Amino acid sequence: NAGVTQTPKFQVLKTGQSMTLQCAQDMNHNSMYWYRQDPGMGLRLIYYSASEGTTDKGEVPNGYNVSRLNKREFSLRLESAAPSQTSVYFCASSDWEDQPQHFGDGTRLSIL
Amino acid sequence: DQQVKQNSPSLSVQEGRISILNCDYTNSMFDYFLWYKKYPAEGPTFLISISSIKDKNEDGRFTVFLNKSAKHLSLHIVPSQPGDSAVYFCAASASLTGTASKLTFGTGTRLQVTL
Repeated sequence: NAGVTQTPKFQVLKTGQSMTLQCAQDMNHNSMYWYRQDPGMGLRLIYYSASEGTTDKGEVPNGYNVSRLNKREFSLRLESAAPSQTSVYFCASSDWEDQPQHFGDGTRLSIL
Repeated sequence: DQQVKQNSPSLSVQEGRISILNCDYTNSMFDYFLWYKKYPAEGPTFLISISSIKDKNEDGRFTVFLNKSAKHLSLHIVPSQPGDSAVYFCAASASLTGTASKLTFGTGTRLQVTL
């Protein structure tokens, strides 16, 4: 009954450090997404992967890279972390465009 | 430019009464609307959705209404229960590809159901 699993749950980084956030889903969904949530704002789309082997930019992609490793896994990488990337990051997956996206519990990332 | 707005940051309702959460949107290209519920330190959980070709969808205590001409949707919870206390996000969907869609979220409404 895992659904979407994100690791780690918490992380503190120093400015300039790199970090990869991991996401895996066990629902055999085609599409996967990375969002960030900042205080007082709704979730915003960073990158998405419509299917295995494809990735595309969302609304706020600057400073991030992604990899769709296989159908289950979709990782988000910060190459050189900046304080503006302090946020809660959510991974989601869905089967088709008119199906709801299912979210993981998030990674809380602080960059000092 | 906020395309999805939830103008009430918080709402307090007595147990057993109706909770009504509102959401407005500006983009006519949205074709599917969803409500998510979020508890602290957890991810958003899907609650209910409605296609743009419908004006009402019901699931147990939860009903979503869509008024396309006013670009407005609302979530009704009847009767409200203490376990409903959470932050509720409205989201609007636009197709990216045949399998993927982009969700645009509102800023959320914190619902507190009191005894």
